Amino acid sequence: KAGVTQTPRYLIKTRGQQVTLSCSPISGHRSVSWYQQTPGQGLQFLFEYFSETQRNKGNFPGRFSGRQFSNSRSEMNVSTLELGDSALYLCASSSGVDRRQETQYFGPGTRLLVL
Amino acid sequence: AQTVTQSQPEMSVQEAETVTLSCTYDTSESNYYLFWYKQPPSRQMILVIRQEAYKQQNATENRFSVNFQKAAKSFSLKISDSQLGDTAMYFCAVPNTDKLIFGTGTRLQVFP
Repeated sequence: KAGVTQTPRYLIKTRGQQVTLSCSPISGHRSVSWYQQTPGQGLQFLFEYFSETQRNKGNFPGRFSGRQFSNSRSEMNVSTLELGDSALYLCASSSGVDRRQETQYFGPGTRLLVL
Repeated sequence: AQTVTQSQPEMSVQEAETVTLSCTYDTSESNYYLFWYKQPPSRQMILVIRQEAYKQQNATENRFSVNFQKAAKSFSLKISDSQLGDTAMYFCAVPNTDKLIFGTGTRLQVFP
């Protein structure tokens, strides 16, 4: 099976712009989670989608949003970019049946730099 | 609040030696899995090993093994016969409902 893919891999934006990141999960997986990784805050959970519905959301401002399509692919959008949004954005996929007992498989990440 | 603590920010080990990375956690979950992930310089997060919390037997995956102490909420990773390719950040992770809570990571350097 193909692994989790994320596009683009690298992105440079300026403050105030918006950005959309894409994640395609492993075939058959219905859950996609997004994480932000920064040197200062470590890995932080953004949100999780399952069957096109947001099931859980982390503590991030409303500028961060996402959606999931019927084929389980997910997009994450950040509007009005700030310098502090520079980070590695990781998505992870899993079956979504029981999040306590299943493995999340990660994509290679998208590195976002905000200037 | 659920916490995951990795008390060793950095460790180093000589090739072929054994090293143990520690992790303690606090959770109110039952019947959960615990995970160790590796993040090499490529930044790809790779699953190293997982432990079922309701099993007494410690998980083993080739050179990687876990020492799981449920009562103490401790979940350490032992790497035997360390290889240069093991150089990476290592994160332990514990589920909390729909998300994983990660520790702050241990940077492991394997030197020749």
